[in-house]
Amino acid sequence: EAQVTQNPRYLITVTGKKLTVTCSQNMNHEYMSWYRQDPGLGLRQIYYSMNVEVTDKGDVPEGYKVSRKEKRNFPLILESPSPNQTSLYFCASSFSARGGGTQYFGPGTRLLVL
Amino acid sequence: AQKVTQAQTEISVVEKEDVTLDCVYETRDTTYYLFWYKQPPSGELVFLIRRNSFDEQNEISGRYSWNFQKSTSSFNFTITASQVVDSAVYFCALSEARETSGSRLTFGEGTQLTVNP
Repeated sequence: EAQVTQNPRYLITVTGKKLTVTCSQNMNHEYMSWYRQDPGLGLRQIYYSMNVEVTDKGDVPEGYKVSRKEKRNFPLILESPSPNQTSLYFCASSFSARGGGTQYFGPGTRLLVL
Repeated sequence: AQKVTQAQTEISVVEKEDVTLDCVYETRDTTYYLFWYKQPPSGELVFLIRRNSFDEQNEISGRYSWNFQKSTSSFNFTITASQVVDSAVYFCALSEARETSGSRLTFGEGTQLTVNP
């Protein structure tokens, strides 16, 4: 089944404790991205990747890191999480990196930073 | 800068009613793409439709239909004979065709649709 998977689905952590949210897609998609969803602010892009070893900042990159060592994986790293990073996070992928392609989303990761 | 506006924050209807969700967008590009996504109570984002700026034909898929009008920069979504399972938040989104930033989506704020039995 073609899908985007994220792990973990739910995570409670404390301020400053490094964490990684994994994202994997099995559709051989070039483009991958991370979004966060917050009440009143909607969905905003954090980082995106046009292909392996090519990543760039989205609208709200502060406090996050990403890497794209393999085409299928695009982990999101929070080096020192803070309470304002409590959010619902979505990974997405798209076949084409050139723009306009349909993005398919993972199931989401609910993160609570205490 | 691109922008998507969904003026209806919440809509409540009774089952079997028709309902239209409005979406108005802003972009300076001539080539762009519009999307609708559904977010049910379980939280995932489900793709519904993609439309490019050169295709203004309306589309129907079962009980769902979409009306794209470039003249008014609108891409409205109608659910015919609504059902309780249609209850969800619906997002309209816009993507510009950029070589350097790929498929970045700008989302509207979403419309919470509640269908009551």
